[in-house]
Amino acid sequence: GAGVSQSPSNKVTEKGKDVELRCDPISGHTALYWYRQSLGQGLEFLIYFQGNSAPDKSGLPSDRFSAERTGGSVSTLTIQRTQQEDSAVYLCASSLVVSTSGQFFGPGTRLTVL
Amino acid sequence: KNQVEQSPQSLIILEGKNCTLQCNYTVSPFSNLRWYKQDTGRGPVSLTIMTFSENTKSNGRYTATLDADTKQSSLHITASQLSDSASYICVVSAYTNAGKSTFGDGTTLTVKP
Repeated sequence: GAGVSQSPSNKVTEKGKDVELRCDPISGHTALYWYRQSLGQGLEFLIYFQGNSAPDKSGLPSDRFSAERTGGSVSTLTIQRTQQEDSAVYLCASSLVVSTSGQFFGPGTRLTVL
Repeated sequence: KNQVEQSPQSLIILEGKNCTLQCNYTVSPFSNLRWYKQDTGRGPVSLTIMTFSENTKSNGRYTATLDADTKQSSLHITASQLSDSASYICVVSAYTNAGKSTFGDGTTLTVKP
C-alpha cells in the first residue's frame, strides 16, 4: 500500500477484555515497530521485528502484551486482560531496513479501556 | 543510559516568524538523528534524517543541523505557518540495537495568526 495502515482507528473496551490491534506495513519494508503514546507524552518503544530475526520485546510493559508478525508483513499487537492504564494511542511504524532508514508511521489506534 | 532531551517543551510564535528547536542526546554509538512532525491525532511524519557525516539538512522551510561532537541538533523553521503547529520529535538511533531508537518528549509548537 501507499503507507502504513492500522486498524481499528479507535477501540473502546471494558477492563479485563482482550484486544487485538493490527498493522499493515509498507510493502517491502523488512522492519516493523510498535510504540505506545499516552496522552501528552512521548513515544514509548514496545517491540520491533526485523526480517526473520527474533523480535526485540524489551519494551513490552508486562506479559499481558504480545505481538506477532506473520509472513514478514502484517503484525498484530495483543493486549490481554486490559487495564485502564493501557489506554493510549498505539502507533505502528515500518522501515526498509532497521539501521539507517527512516520509519514511516501509521495513524495509530486509540485504545480506551473503561 | 541513552537519552534525548528536547527544549523548549513548548513554544508559541506568531505566523511568519522563525524559530529554533533544540535536541541534546547521549546516545552512543551514534548512527542517525531524525526529526519528526506530529500533528494532533496523527502519526509522526519524518522531516529529516542525518548521519554522523552530515551537519545540515533541509526540507523546505525546515532546516536541521547536527553537531556530533557536542551531541546537539537543532531544527530551524523559517517563515512559520499556521500548519506548522504540531509536536516536533527528535529521535536518535545507535548502531547497537538500531531498531530501538531513543525518542525525545517533543516540543509543542503553536503558531498564532
